[in-house]
Amino acid sequence: SQTIHQWPATLVQPVGSPLSLECTVEGTSNPNLYWYRQAAGRGLQLLFYSVGIGQISSEVPQNLSASRPQDRQFILSSKKLLLSDSGFYLCAWSGAFANTGELFFGEGSRLTVL
Amino acid sequence: DAKTTQPNSMESNEEEPVHLPCNHSTISGTDYIHWYRQLPSQGPEYVIHGLTSNVNNRMASLAIAEDRKSSTLILHRATLRDAAVYYCILRDGGINKFYFGSGTKLNVKP
Repeated sequence: SQTIHQWPATLVQPVGSPLSLECTVEGTSNPNLYWYRQAAGRGLQLLFYSVGIGQISSEVPQNLSASRPQDRQFILSSKKLLLSDSGFYLCAWSGAFANTGELFFGEGSRLTVL
Repeated sequence: DAKTTQPNSMESNEEEPVHLPCNHSTISGTDYIHWYRQLPSQGPEYVIHGLTSNVNNRMASLAIAEDRKSSTLILHRATLRDAAVYYCILRDGGINKFYFGSGTKLNVKP
């Protein structure tokens, strides 16, 4: 069966520090991968979308970047965090073919920037 | 990029049916209608999806208007565990991008 893991689960970082969140998927190949951010009390904002290694689509101009060095690995990074980067970050995957209809989420990473 | 409109919140009594509405007046012919729900501090989970016809699964039913400009998620007997934020999403059938709106927060009273 397929599983998705992301880490760390929580982190508190000072403004200006770097960030790296990692996500891996097991049990499937060539998944579509996503990074979402959820601010407190808000809906999910799509940040990045990837259909394959090295193929990243950025949805919103921001202080973040994403990379996909391997088929089932997706990394979210920042060189210098801002206060506004605080939030709940979620990695997700879906099948490469659209009609499956399901998006599977990881456990989430809660980031607090102080 | 959310293309759906949902009420901010709704309330239901336990063991009664719940009808959660969603408007998507700009839906295109290739857009699928998806519903997800999110419990506090968790990622959203899939509930149901459809294209044109009504759909049923073990969790819920999805009723799609004939013109596809609106849909309704039906929980047949609400339980306390159904209290969550419910998101109605349109997904272009040609690309696999999911844009979430603000959702409807469902409160279930015992």
